[in-house]
Amino acid sequence: GQQLNQSPQSMFIQEGEDVSMNCTSSSIFNTWLWYKQDPGEGPVLLIALYKAGELTSNGRLTAQFGITRKDSFLNISASIPSDVGIYFCAGPSGGYQKVTFGTGTKLQVIP
Amino acid sequence: DTGVSQDPRHKITKRGQNVTFRCDPISEHNRLYWYRQTLGQGPEFLTYFQNEAQLEKSRLLSDRFSAERPKGSFSTLEIQRTEQGDSAMYLCASSLLLGSNYGYTFGSGTRLTVV
Repeated sequence: GQQLNQSPQSMFIQEGEDVSMNCTSSSIFNTWLWYKQDPGEGPVLLIALYKAGELTSNGRLTAQFGITRKDSFLNISASIPSDVGIYFCAGPSGGYQKVTFGTGTKLQVIP
Repeated sequence: DTGVSQDPRHKITKRGQNVTFRCDPISEHNRLYWYRQTLGQGPEFLTYFQNEAQLEKSRLLSDRFSAERPKGSFSTLEIQRTEQGDSAMYLCASSLLLGSNYGYTFGSGTRLTVV
């Protein structure tokens, strides 16, 4: 089946720093999704990408749909403590709008 | 609060017992999904409802698992004869049937611990 690998697995950064993380797939995706999950909560959709090469922003977050359609990137600028959480990439995995989630990148922000 | 509501938030049960979880989706959403998330992993698809019809089930959903959405509104997920491997967060999500919309809204989940 489809697998989405995220890197890094975890990261510690200082408040105010920029963050980059990526997601790679063994197969082509036509849509890329980025979610954030806070401890004890369900994931929340941050950004959706629908076209190869697309660059989309949501506040301090910017995501890119890789040209090969097998990867995607998420950048967070000027990190703040509430950015702490686990970031998941995801992509469609068949009909009915169900998705496959990646392995996650755990972000810790040091004040 | 008009989000997706799940009950209970936490459940501890002994191995072999049956458990049932409830999900109340956003009222106008006709799609409902169940996902399972184990520690350190991303959510994995279990099953999907469109209104009251269960249209797809993952191979992860063994015959001990059953899900229903009797009136196309709330849904229940039952696990019979629980095993320690069933310990996980069970997440419900809902969305509108609207083109290629992947804009799920997830609930806060039910964390199941089987002892």
